[in-house]
Amino acid sequence: GAGVSQSPSNKVTEKGKDVELRCDPISGHTALYWYRQSLGQGLEFLIYFQGNSAPDKSGLPSDRFSAERTGGSVSTLTIQRTQQEDSAVYLCASSLLAGGPGELFFGEGSRLTVL
Amino acid sequence: GNSVTQMEGPVTLSEEAFLTINCTYTATGYPSLFWYVQYPGEGLQLLLKATKADDKGSNKGFEATYRKETTSFHLEKGSVQVSDSAVYFCALSDSNTGNQFYFGTGTSLTVIP
Repeated sequence: GAGVSQSPSNKVTEKGKDVELRCDPISGHTALYWYRQSLGQGLEFLIYFQGNSAPDKSGLPSDRFSAERTGGSVSTLTIQRTQQEDSAVYLCASSLLAGGPGELFFGEGSRLTVL
Repeated sequence: GNSVTQMEGPVTLSEEAFLTINCTYTATGYPSLFWYVQYPGEGLQLLLKATKADDKGSNKGFEATYRKETTSFHLEKGSVQVSDSAVYFCALSDSNTGNQFYFGTGTSLTVIP
């Protein structure tokens, strides 16, 4: 499809396991964002990739969280040694930057449940 | 730094009532302002935006005016419908801080017939 694609849509894991969440942005979008949405909370910024620049990792909550973006396209968010407080919906968004902030296009999210 | 503060919910209105959801912001530069909407079971999508002071964004009967003097971007609709039930997020993006987006906590709106 033409939108932002995220997988898996749902992931249930046991505490202590590692998980990988994938985001396939809209083709040609140079900016890619990861956010976390917890129940009753707003959107928590995690990490931002813009073109070939170094990513803005200032939102990652701990060193258990990491993300990469290969070839300027697909991104993977990895959570190591998951904890129950990591349970949330992880949202990916992409944007076409053309001289200023453009519209963010969001994926449907990956719902993570840590038991 | 940059931040967005929006009215806490939940908000419950009767159909055809007037809606206001307040949003104020703090920014170091000259941000663009956005309202995003998340309908039940769906992803976030852009509702409207304004890129400079005094601009008015509008879509689907919703409006918001970029007020630099009061650092506000309140969302309004004159007559809400049941189909407007959703969570609304105010956001800003500032090219001075690398086009990072900052979101408010979201306001849940329920419209009852």
